[in-house]
Amino acid sequence: SQTIHQWPATLVQPVGSPLSLECTVEGTSNPNLYWYRQAAGRGLQLLFYSVGIGQISSEVPQNLSASRPQDRQFILSSKKLLLSDSGFYLCAWNGLAGAGELFFGEGSRLTVL
Amino acid sequence: LAKTTQPISMDSYEGQEVNITCSHNNIATNDYITWYQQFPSQGPRFIIQGYKTKVTNEVASLFIPADRKSSTLSLPRVSLSDTAVYYCLVGGYSGAGSYQLTFGKGTKLSVIP
Repeated sequence: SQTIHQWPATLVQPVGSPLSLECTVEGTSNPNLYWYRQAAGRGLQLLFYSVGIGQISSEVPQNLSASRPQDRQFILSSKKLLLSDSGFYLCAWNGLAGAGELFFGEGSRLTVL
Repeated sequence: LAKTTQPISMDSYEGQEVNITCSHNNIATNDYITWYQQFPSQGPRFIIQGYKTKVTNEVASLFIPADRKSSTLSLPRVSLSDTAVYYCLVGGYSGAGSYQLTFGKGTKLSVIP
């Protein structure tokens, strides 16, 4: 069966510090991978998606970047965090046969102080 | 991407049937309609998906009229554990190989004892 993991689960970072959130998927190959962000009390915002290794599409211009160094690995990064980067970050995947069914990870809660 | 509109919040008593309607006037021919449930500090969880008419599974029913410009999620006999945010999404292939799924703000359902 397929599983998705992301880490760390929680982190507190000072403004201006770097960020690296990692997501891995097991049990499937060539998944579509997504990063979403949810600010407190708000809906989910699609940040990046990837259809393959090295292929990244950005939905919202911002302080963040994403990379996909391996088929089942998706990384969200920032060189210098802003206060507005605080939120709940979710990694998700689906396959071509999923017709839109997304499978989400456990989430990473980032607080920038 | 089709934009969705759904009520911000709803209240219901335990044991009642709850219907949440979502409007998606600009739905495309190849778009599916998908509903997710999200509890606090967790990733959304797939509930049900449909293309047209009626779909039923063990937890919900989805009603889609012929013009597909709206859909209604029906939760039978809700319990306190159904208190959550419910998201309606429409989406299909982006042409780049991934499913483009945009989450709105969702409907916060509060079940009252």
